[in-house]
Amino acid sequence: EPEVTQTPSHQVTQMGQEVILRCVPISNHLYFYWYRQILGQKVEFLVSFYNNEISEKSEIFDDQFSVERPDGSNFTLKIRSTKLEDSAMYFCASSRGQSSYNEQFFGPGTRLTVL
Amino acid sequence: RKEVEQDPGPFNVPEGATVAFNCTYSNSASQSFFWYRQDCRKEPKLLMSVYSSGNEDGRFTAQLNRASQYISLLIRDSKLSDSATYLCVVNIGNSGGYQKVTFGTGTKLQVIP
Repeated sequence: EPEVTQTPSHQVTQMGQEVILRCVPISNHLYFYWYRQILGQKVEFLVSFYNNEISEKSEIFDDQFSVERPDGSNFTLKIRSTKLEDSAMYFCASSRGQSSYNEQFFGPGTRLTVL
Repeated sequence: RKEVEQDPGPFNVPEGATVAFNCTYSNSASQSFFWYRQDCRKEPKLLMSVYSSGNEDGRFTAQLNRASQYISLLIRDSKLSDSATYLCVVNIGNSGGYQKVTFGTGTKLQVIP
């Protein structure tokens, strides 16, 4: 069964450093998403992406964040200058279609720890 | 009122019991609804979509009540493996027709031997 993959599984970084989280969505999916989950809290939407453009972003997704699909398979989330409060689990998801009835499938996540 | 609200639990039930969770949502324009389960420190996994007519998948039944703005999940004959956090997910869509998803905080279920 096709699945979303994410690397690395755990990233430790110093405050102020840039990090890039990588995702490979399911191959025939066209819509991609990033979410974060701070430990003990709910899953929060960050951004959705289609056709090489951001289609929706939340207020969390400020100028420190960016997304990119650098090739035909990878989808990346970059945090330019990490803060302590960026420590969280980051989940990538993909869906086949844009309709709200299309289910999203999640990757296993990258645990980001900012020291 | 929170966009998506769930009782955090925990719900501690014996094996074989029937348990039900509710989730309320505030935006009447919400278009689609899902239940996901999340095991500790793992990703959310889709359990089932929720349709207006209600739908069933084995021991799991989901219902949608648009008038009262809630969805429910019923689990029959609980198994130890059902122990997890159940996430209510509501999709309101945006003006461009794209998905705009809000998660509830989740309801924790612990099935006891």
